Amino acid sequence: DGGITQSPKYLFRKEGQNVTLSCEQNLNHDAMYWYRQDPGQGLRLIYYSQIVNDFQKGDIAEGYSVSREKKESFPLTVTSAQKNPTAFYLCASSIMAGTGPHEQYFGPGTRLTVT
Amino acid sequence: ILNVEQSPQSLHVQEGDSTNFTCSFPSSNFYALHWYRWETAKSPEALFVMTLNGDEKKKGRISATLNTKEGYSYLYIKGSQPEDSATYLCASYNTDKLIFGTGTRLQVFP
Repeated sequence: DGGITQSPKYLFRKEGQNVTLSCEQNLNHDAMYWYRQDPGQGLRLIYYSQIVNDFQKGDIAEGYSVSREKKESFPLTVTSAQKNPTAFYLCASSIMAGTGPHEQYFGPGTRLTVT
Repeated sequence: ILNVEQSPQSLHVQEGDSTNFTCSFPSSNFYALHWYRWETAKSPEALFVMTLNGDEKKKGRISATLNTKEGYSYLYIKGSQPEDSATYLCASYNTDKLIFGTGTRLQVFP
């Protein structure tokens, strides 16, 4: 089946540790995105990539890093520099068009808890 | 950061009622408006992507309209059913990225 997978579903880490969240898609989409959701807030864009080996910062990129070595994969690393990393993280992908992205397809999300 | 506002924040309706929500977005550098439905324990799923002023789209009992000049979109649900219970997100694509609103949480009671 085509879709986006994120793993793991739940992740627990100690403060000060870096952690990498996985996102894989087999939809052959060029664009991939990472969002963060906190209670009472909309999805906020962390990083996005429109093509392999290229990515752009979103609105809240500080304390995060990404790579896009393969079209199918867009892992997100939450570094120890991220001041408030506990959140729900969603990955998405889409086709790109002249008027911007087509509908985004979302993964099931990873809930990260840092203590 | 551009603001996308949704209202109301939450809504409780009886089965069979029709309902609507609002999404307001910046009209400058506008390219597209997205609506998503996010059911509990599932991933958000796209309902509509709208680009042209005056666009109206329909999927079953759900429809949406778009006014790009004044910067708003309405989502309508006709004859709400319990399975329509979800958070409805809108997102505006301006310049180079999609900005999401905080969503309208709909609960439909049987």
